[in-house]
Amino acid sequence: DTGVSQDPRHKITKRGQNVTFRCDPISEHNRLYWYRQTLGQGPEFLTYFQNEAQLEKSRLLSNRFSAERPKGSFSTLEIQRTEQGDSAMYLCASSLSAVHRGQGELFFGSGTQLSVL
Amino acid sequence: AQKVTQAQTEISVVEKEDVTLDCVYETRDTTYYLFWYKQPPSGELVFLIRRNSFDEQNEISGRYSWNFQKSTSSFNFTITASQVVDSAVYFCAPSFNKFYFGSGTKLNVKP
Repeated sequence: DTGVSQDPRHKITKRGQNVTFRCDPISEHNRLYWYRQTLGQGPEFLTYFQNEAQLEKSRLLSNRFSAERPKGSFSTLEIQRTEQGDSAMYLCASSLSAVHRGQGELFFGSGTQLSVL
Repeated sequence: AQKVTQAQTEISVVEKEDVTLDCVYETRDTTYYLFWYKQPPSGELVFLIRRNSFDEQNEISGRYSWNFQKSTSSFNFTITASQVVDSAVYFCAPSFNKFYFGSGTKLNVKP
């Protein structure tokens, strides 16, 4: 297993366009997280899944953002009607969490750098 | 709401010095996990250490050690005999199912 992979690495789009990012987690990991990071800041939580169920979504996230994880494997994050303020690094991470071992550490992908012009 | 404070924005040390990175968090949860991550200039976040809230025994792993005090909600991280390759941004990340990241401490290790 090569770790968490994200596609694309970079995305440049015009304001108002829709964009979609993909994340392939480590195969045996049951949890998948999306974070957003801007320069000089720590990662900001967006949403997370346990298997195919989306368990939580940040209240800061507008309804232009949606995420899916069909079949509990890969995940997609879509941003509709992009705005310049959406420009950021979008990070995906996965972890293995179970009752007997608690919360496992996050393994991060390299991220998708979004630039909205 | 959970909150993480890393009061040190940037620290500069000379190689071989020890350095401690501070982290204070707020929570009403009684059971949780604590993590430290490193983000080198290359950008990818790397896991360093994990601690659970119900075991306050402090540990050492190689050049890394940590001091967890539940009573003060602090989880400090120490690098012993720092090296230039330790230069990075370090994030404290308590986890209450989802992970909360502090704003990070940028560590500069000079030769």
